[in-house]
Amino acid sequence: QSVLTQPPSASGTPGQRVTISCSGSSSNIEKNYVYWYRQLPGTAPKLLICRNNQRPSGVPDRFSGSKSGTSASLAITGLRSEDEADYYCATWDDSLRGRVFGGGTKLTVL
Amino acid sequence: EVQLLESGGGLVQPGGSLRLSCTASGFTFSTFVMNWVRQAPGKGLEWVSSITGGAERIFYADSVKGRFTISRDNSRNTLNLQMNSLRAEDTAVYYCAKAEYTGSDGGPGYWGQGTLVTVSS
Repeated sequence: QSVLTQPPSASGTPGQRVTISCSGSSSNIEKNYVYWYRQLPGTAPKLLICRNNQRPSGVPDRFSGSKSGTSASLAITGLRSEDEADYYCATWDDSLRGRVFGGGTKLTVL
Repeated sequence: EVQLLESGGGLVQPGGSLRLSCTASGFTFSTFVMNWVRQAPGKGLEWVSSITGGAERIFYADSVKGRFTISRDNSRNTLNLQMNSLRAEDTAVYYCAKAEYTGSDGGPGYWGQGTLVTVSS
């Protein structure tokens, strides 16, 4: 059971907007930065969003992150077939004194 | 260009030991928190351990505390993970990951390609 809760799956059609939620608590998301990663099968995770809503260089502006209280979300607009992947949220947990990940969301582009 | 190259993975018997290394290049290694994150076959990401730039602070997941030891050699730009008393549930791809920012926010940014550790008799 992951400390951060993500829906196991999400889907959308090309061009659509999709959001993936990440629910935590006052000891993790509320007090610390949230990061989002995308992982294609057989490859290493890639950073999509850092510090709640910052896009690293090279990440398209179709990807955006937000945080409110103990929850965070990743939004993808203009969905493309290549966005089909697993998405993970992560943050630091002050009580556990460790980094925690969500269980991952498998995004399907229909 | 940032590069992280993990090595040392392989097959080991339960109760055995293994030492993973991660050789870094393309950035000032000593100024970044470094992390180990693992992924069991078909499962999600699990944080294992983090170490600050000067090794002043070290953190471990409860699942590996007392069995794994993280260390770094800033003169050689190398991150290590000594794994002892290995269990079947430690079987995973182990990723070395560099923090995105310098300072205390150690959130992983760039990840290596990973090295597979298989614990089995």
